[in-house]
Amino acid sequence: AQKITQTQPGMFVQEKEAVTLDCTYDTSDPSYGLFWYKQPSSGEMIFLIYQGSYDQQNATEGRYSLNFQKARKSANLVISASQLGDSAMYFCAMREGRGGYSTLTFGKGTMLLVSP
Amino acid sequence: EAGVTQFPSHSVIEKGQTVTLRCDPISGHDNLYWYRRVMGKEIKFLLHFVKESKQDESGMPNNRFLAERTGGTYSTLKVQPAELEDSGVYFCASSPREGSAKNIQYFGAGTRLSVL
Repeated sequence: AQKITQTQPGMFVQEKEAVTLDCTYDTSDPSYGLFWYKQPSSGEMIFLIYQGSYDQQNATEGRYSLNFQKARKSANLVISASQLGDSAMYFCAMREGRGGYSTLTFGKGTMLLVSP
Repeated sequence: EAGVTQFPSHSVIEKGQTVTLRCDPISGHDNLYWYRRVMGKEIKFLLHFVKESKQDESGMPNNRFLAERTGGTYSTLKVQPAELEDSGVYFCASSPREGSAKNIQYFGAGTRLSVL
């Protein structure tokens, strides 16, 4: 079974609108972490946001927020006020276990295109 | 502060040849990871170093792949001999062992390997 599922291969949004990128996960470990990375055309994987399984509040980083619904095992990324520079591939990933150095399991990614 | 750097950015070799990829982690990061994305598939873990020691190499596909991290600084990943199915993007990531960022893996831009 896939541990990280991103059901949207591609998403389109107009500049200044908000967009939600979906991510569901599967784990039986009570301690885990969820990540979102952005990969623009330059290729670099840019860390955006992190949510720990025991965190009480949803993580936010500027225009990025993580809509963490533990019971549904979902960790959707919300980008508010989209910008043209947000056009990129977005990956959801999970770390299982308590160790900070656990390896990451990735989803297949969602390509986001922001239009003027 | 410099991020994770990888060299070369792109390598094109013939089947049977040898290729060596290099990764320079963020200074002071004890953890260093190698991942690979084969066309159309998810990004997959290859191995993890803590300083110069291999912590986990369960993702290495076969014995044609050899990773080293002498001195606990930069790492190399050698593929010898390369096969067609080794083509893909090889990512390196690093993370600190302690501190508030210990859960975060910071990635490089990757090396795109094409085996013809």
